Formats: sequence, structure tokens, C-alpha cells
Amino acid sequence: QSVLTQPPSASGTPGQRVTISCSGSSSNMGSIYIYWYQQLPGTAPKLLIYMNNQRPSGVPDRFSGSKSGTSASLAISGLRSEDEADYYCATWDGSMLFGGGTKLTVL
Amino acid sequence: QVQLVQSGAEVKKPGASVKVSCKAFGFTFTDFDINWVRQAPGQGLEWLGWMNPHSGNTGYSQKFQGRVTVTRNTSITTAYMELSSLRSEDSAVYYCARAQRGVVATIFHFYYIDVWGKGTTVTVS
Repeated sequence: QSVLTQPPSASGTPGQRVTISCSGSSSNMGSIYIYWYQQLPGTAPKLLIYMNNQRPSGVPDRFSGSKSGTSASLAISGLRSEDEADYYCATWDGSMLFGGGTKLTVL
Repeated sequence: QVQLVQSGAEVKKPGASVKVSCKAFGFTFTDFDINWVRQAPGQGLEWLGWMNPHSGNTGYSQKFQGRVTVTRNTSITTAYMELSSLRSEDSAVYYCARAQRGVVATIFHFYYIDVWGKGTTVTVS
């Protein structure tokens, strides 16, 4: 089964561009989609990116996703205070697997 | 409006079972899988299993196999997750969530959660 590894924390100042990585360990990671979720404090997660780089309706284009080989990244440009949240990558390979999450702090 | 409304908080004794409900609004209940995910205090997201409300087919995380059961009542568009033999480590917020499933170019399968319930707090003490 895949293991998705994220850095536990990330930070940036308002207006900055921040990236959060998500590394897979499965040999077949190249054929799998990655999804990203944002969890604001005290709330349920929210879908941010699906199928590696697609944004659901309503998600600002400041958020973008990419994937190359066994690694994926979430980029947030024009960082804002309201982006302070936990971010999770996820994938499906017959069961759902979440990364450990990255706590983003806006300094 | 698409939403999943979950039942209220539960407090259970160790060894007991808990059953959480999840009522769907605003979409055709039998067209989407329902998944269950939990989050222990200060921890990350952990997947428990899925169910197809149309067929009743289910799949569970190996970690919870034998302890978790997901069912549904299509007449009231409600899914249920029952977790048995509770222990203190099962104290968490339990989320139900709708999933999108499909295939691109006949070979690339996608499956992801696009709608989450607000969560149900289960305390085992």
C-alpha cells in the first residue's frame, strides 16, 4: 500500500508563494491521482484540488496542484491569513490513503 | 444544497458499540459512494471504509476490518457507520463523506471525496 509523506509544517508571509509536498512510496504512484484537502481550525476538510491539478468551483486560482512521478505538490500563491490551516494530500488505490497533513502558518 | 447531516455527539464506555448516521440532502443518494473518515484529537485523517448505497457493496480499511460496519437505508437517504469493541483510542470526530468515482481514457481511475459532513464526536471513556 502507498504511503504519502508530507512535511509536518510550512510557513510563509502574506503575499508569498508557499508549496507543500506529498511524496509517495508505491511503485505504481505514477498512475494514481492525488487530491488535496484544506481543513480550517475546527471545521471539516474541504476539497481543494482533485485529479492532481483540477480546482473545484469556488476554489481560488491562488491554489494549484501538480504531480510528477511519485511526488505531488500544492502551491499557494498570494498567501493570505485565512489560508492558515491543515492541508492533506490523499489518493485512492482500492482504499483511501491520506498524508499525515501539513500545518500551514501565515506569519 | 448538497449536504450530509450527521447525528449528534456520543459518549460510550469501552467495549461498547457506536452507530453514527449520515443523512444526504441535495443529490441522488444512490449515485455516489459514502465514505467514513475519522480524526482523533490533534491527529490527521484516517479512512475507515466506503459503501455504495445503490448496491450495498462495502470496503473497509484492513485496520478496522471486523470492527466497522457501514450500512444504509435508501428510503431515507441515510448511511450508518457502526464501530464495535470501542476503546479509548477510538475517541475521535467521525466524518461521513460523499465520493466521486470514475475513469479517464479507460485506464485512469479516479476516486475522491468531494463533500464532507460536519462530523460527529465520539468519546470513549
